[in-house]
Amino acid sequence: QAVLTQSPSASGTPGQRVTISCSGSRSNIGSNTVNWYQQFPGTAPQLLIHSNDQRPSGVPDRFSGSKSGTSASLAISGLQSDDESDYYCAAWDDSLNGPVFGGGTKLTVL
Amino acid sequence: QVQLLQSGAEVKNPGASVKVSCKASGYTFSGYYLHWVRQAPGQGLEWMASINTNNGNTNFAQEFRDRVTMTRDTSISTAYLELSGLRFDDTAVYFCVRDVRFLGPDNYFYFYMDVWGKGTTVSVSS
Repeated sequence: QAVLTQSPSASGTPGQRVTISCSGSRSNIGSNTVNWYQQFPGTAPQLLIHSNDQRPSGVPDRFSGSKSGTSASLAISGLQSDDESDYYCAAWDDSLNGPVFGGGTKLTVL
Repeated sequence: QVQLLQSGAEVKNPGASVKVSCKASGYTFSGYYLHWVRQAPGQGLEWMASINTNNGNTNFAQEFRDRVTMTRDTSISTAYLELSGLRFDDTAVYFCVRDVRFLGPDNYFYFYMDVWGKGTTVSVSS
């Protein structure tokens, strides 16, 4: 059972904007920054968004992140077929003294 | 470039132990914490343990505290995960991950995992 809550699936058509949500608690998202990872089948996760809304070098500006209270969101605009993958949110948890993850959202591009 | 090179796949019997290695390159090894995160087939990501590579202090997720040992050898920039008492549900891909952490000017703790190894598959089978 993942500590952070994500919807297991999301979908959209090419060009559309989709949002993936992540819900936590005061000890994790409420107190610390949120990160998002993208994972393609058979590969390691890659950092997509860090510090709530910061994109590492090389990540297109179609990807954006936001946080409010104990929830966070990842938005993908101008959806492309290449965006079809799994997305995980994560944050440090003060109670557990370690990072916690969401259960992952599988994004399908229709 | 910054890389984490992990050891190869392992097949173990239930009750055995496995030791996985992670060799860092392209950066100052002792300047960053390293973590182990695992992913069972078809499942999500699960944090297991972390090590302060500078002083060797470790931290473990509660469910692994009795079975996991995490060590490092700074002379060869390598971290190790040893998992004992293997069970069938320990079958997973084990990722070595580097983190970045700092206290921001807003007093928030900024933490993210920026570099991931390719993963080591551990299969527990009789």
